[in-house]
Amino acid sequence: EVQLLESGGGLVQPGGSLRLSCAASEFTFDNYAMSWVRQAPGKGLEWISGISSSGGGTYYADSVKGRFTISRDNSKNTLHLQMNSLRAEDTAVYYCAKSPAKTYEYGPGTYFDYWGQGNLVTVSS
Amino acid sequence: QSALTQPPSASGSPGQSVTISCTGTSSDVGGYNFVSWYQHHPGKAPKLMIYEVSKRPSGVPHRFSGSKSGNTASLTVSGLQAEDEADYYCSSYAGSNIYVVFGGGTKLTV
Repeated sequence: EVQLLESGGGLVQPGGSLRLSCAASEFTFDNYAMSWVRQAPGKGLEWISGISSSGGGTYYADSVKGRFTISRDNSKNTLHLQMNSLRAEDTAVYYCAKSPAKTYEYGPGTYFDYWGQGNLVTVSS
Repeated sequence: QSALTQPPSASGSPGQSVTISCTGTSSDVGGYNFVSWYQHHPGKAPKLMIYEVSKRPSGVPHRFSGSKSGNTASLTVSGLQAEDEADYYCSSYAGSNIYVVFGGGTKLTV
């Protein structure tokens, strides 16, 4: 069974940084695009970042562009999200998610067949 | 404000059917056949229930079905069961530059 296990969340002050990781197992990691999706308290889901299977293509929502960086280490089957200049509005549960395609840019890459359990990030002083 | 519009709540009794709508525009739902639906029990990982408008992943009960007409997609749950009580989110491909948009979610009460 596909497993996605997030880590690295927690409490951070405004302006601070955090790095989320997502350890993947039971599938060929470097064959699939991966993404981060977040859910702020009382809100719906928001796709914030995607990365192609090779890592050569990345996407950021306007809400995080310039502050967050997505990356992947295919040798370690791990996805990362470096979050800098954090704001109160970044408070959310962050999910890593797998797409059934190599790219997030079209077709099967635009939905998510497996998700992690989520990792809470709280930005507060 | 989410890009796709869903009703905040829906309800039905066990054994009944319920349909949840997801309204977008011709730039997303209406323009492509890449609408998906997710079931989310709070505290758990979201689960893909429908992809490409009407396809069911392996293991998803046939009670769940999807359709689309114009700019509105729909998820129908037939023969409601207690375990269907959850939040449901729709999503759609929205073209290059934006790629993926979600609805605001619908809380289904059984």
